[in-house]
Amino acid sequence: DAGVTQSPTHLIKTRGQQVTLRCSPKSGHDTVSWYQQALGQGPQFIFQYYEEEERQRGNFPDRFSGHQFPNYSSELNVNALLLGDSALYLCASSPRGRRDSPLHFGNGTRLTVT
Amino acid sequence: DAKTTQPPSMDCAEGRAANLPCNHSTISGNEYVYWYRQIHSQGPQYIIHGLKNNETNEMASLIITEDRKSSTLILPHATLRDTAVYYCIVRVAGGAGNNRKLIWGLGTSLAVNP
Repeated sequence: DAGVTQSPTHLIKTRGQQVTLRCSPKSGHDTVSWYQQALGQGPQFIFQYYEEEERQRGNFPDRFSGHQFPNYSSELNVNALLLGDSALYLCASSPRGRRDSPLHFGNGTRLTVT
Repeated sequence: DAKTTQPPSMDCAEGRAANLPCNHSTISGNEYVYWYRQIHSQGPQYIIHGLKNNETNEMASLIITEDRKSSTLILPHATLRDTAVYYCIVRVAGGAGNNRKLIWGLGTSLAVNP
């Protein structure tokens, strides 16, 4: 049973460019959340998707956008990259059915902006 | 801001029990306590969670005080592979927004020594 998978694992971009990160949730999960983790910090919530709509959003600018597909997979897009966007981007999935279901995380995409 | 406080670092001898404390004095009645750990360069791994009763699974035990203002994660026989950053998080489960937002602190860096 595959867990949460993310691609690519590493990415190097230049300031001002755009990037798309991808996530496939764990089998049986339909809710996807994205987190940003700077070096030495805990993850920060970006947004959450289910039923193909953004349901909750953290304190991130509109440069961060996302999408969820009918198969529950998700993309995170970041436009006009800044040096400060360099971080580990984590995707987490969970099933909606049980209210206290824990999140299951992928191993992330390490984004470096130069 | 995170609703939990944890010591920044702890040491434990291999084979001994590791007891990781967490304070969550402002926890609400409908908030669960979750524990995750993150091994270097990997995504966070779910360990255990609870509402008010003590919980045990194959990885660890969770002891929640009667007033729910603090908890302790117990790894009964720590191994070198348990070296990681351990995060204690409280969150409202479910709800109208099917809440999946976790607010992370800096966690406790546990070093298991041979």
